[in-house]
Amino acid sequence: EDKVVQSPLSLVVHEGDTVTLNCSYEVTNFRSLLWYKQEKKAPTFLFMLTSSGIEKKSGRLSSILDKKELFSILNITATQTGDSAVYLCVAESSARQLTFGSGTQLTVLP
Amino acid sequence: DGGITQSPKYLFRKEGQNVTLSCEQNLNHDAMYWYRQDPGQGLRLIYYSQIVNDFQKGDIAEGYSVSREKKESFPLTVTSAQKNPTAFYLCASSNPNEKLFFGSGTQLSVL
Repeated sequence: EDKVVQSPLSLVVHEGDTVTLNCSYEVTNFRSLLWYKQEKKAPTFLFMLTSSGIEKKSGRLSSILDKKELFSILNITATQTGDSAVYLCVAESSARQLTFGSGTQLTVLP
Repeated sequence: DGGITQSPKYLFRKEGQNVTLSCEQNLNHDAMYWYRQDPGQGLRLIYYSQIVNDFQKGDIAEGYSVSREKKESFPLTVTSAQKNPTAFYLCASSNPNEKLFFGSGTQLSVL
């Protein structure tokens, strides 16, 4: 059975801190890994990763995939209160099946 | 603006009642999906449709029904057979090999 495990389940930091969110996966015929930010209930897309070792960046957020060790990390530097959200990791198979992690609840305190 | 609209935002169901959640998209996406989210759990797939007039069961389809009569619309009915319907329901859409776009969700509660 395919599964995605995220850690930690929740995290509380102060503004300016750097955080690393982890995602490990076991998916048959893995195709890609996606990160979403869920705030106010509607997930919004952050990154799609298909190749190992290539970092994707968007502002203070970056993510990388390790297809050998079957994990991905999402880094957020210089966190802001607006970064508070649930971050979802999703693994996609070649058959377009999606397996969602349970999410990491990030709280950034002022 | 293109997007996915879910309604209502909050919905209450009485025992034995069927309720229908609306999902409309104007992104011209072929595929549409319904997910259920429970606290502390990942999203679970209820039903999906790759094309108009066709849909398939997901992992937890029991107690739910859908229709896809129009490309833009994919309503989800939570039937009285669904014994634990309280959850947050998310609709999503996409084109083949593209990322999902999500609606803002419907919180369903049982009275």
